[in-house]
Amino acid sequence: EVQLVESGGVVVQPGGSLRLSCAASGFTFEDYSMHWVRQVPGKGLEWVSLINWDAGNTFYADSVKGRFTISRDNSKKSLYLHMNSLRTDDTALYYCAKDQSHRGYSYGDYWGQGTLVTVSS
Amino acid sequence: DIQMTQSPSSLSASVGDRVTITCRASQGISNHLAWFQQKPGKAPKSLIYAASNLQSGVPSRFSGSGYGTDFTLTISSLQPEDFATYYCQHYNSYPPYTFGQGTKLEIK
Repeated sequence: EVQLVESGGVVVQPGGSLRLSCAASGFTFEDYSMHWVRQVPGKGLEWVSLINWDAGNTFYADSVKGRFTISRDNSKKSLYLHMNSLRTDDTALYYCAKDQSHRGYSYGDYWGQGTLVTVSS
Repeated sequence: DIQMTQSPSSLSASVGDRVTITCRASQGISNHLAWFQQKPGKAPKSLIYAASNLQSGVPSRFSGSGYGTDFTLTISSLQPEDFATYYCQHYNSYPPYTFGQGTKLEIK
């Protein structure tokens, strides 16, 4: 059974930094790209970032480019999102999702339950 | 970047109704489109991929169609558990893989 468990969400001040983690199990982690998607409470889904299976390629939404960095540790079956220069509009529930495509890029077929990041002074 | 536009943004319907949600891409995306269902307090759930393929375990009352820029999600006979918010997302070529703004399906 595929399981994704996010952690690391806290209350942080504007301009601060944070690292989110996603622990994966139930599939061959090193064979799949991984996504981060966020959702402001009560609003829609926003795709944030993707990292390919061997960490050789990364992609970002314009809204986070230059401030967020996605990474992964295949030996630990873990995905990360390093968030710098946080702004109040980064406040959201952050989901990690497993890509459906084996060694490719597509949509997230399995999602975690999310971790809440609140940026506030 | 490709923009995804869903319509309507909200919809009221009754159990047993047939409903259709539309998603339009700002440029052609072949059939690289997925649909998701999200219930309050829950993570999104994948329903359909490649525009018309049902994810394993998804009831057959759900169907998808379309190619290029215009896509639809149809629920043939609404059940009480189908009242939720639905999102489309493209995954054409390389990211960013944008979502539509969502369609909230409510009980009439």
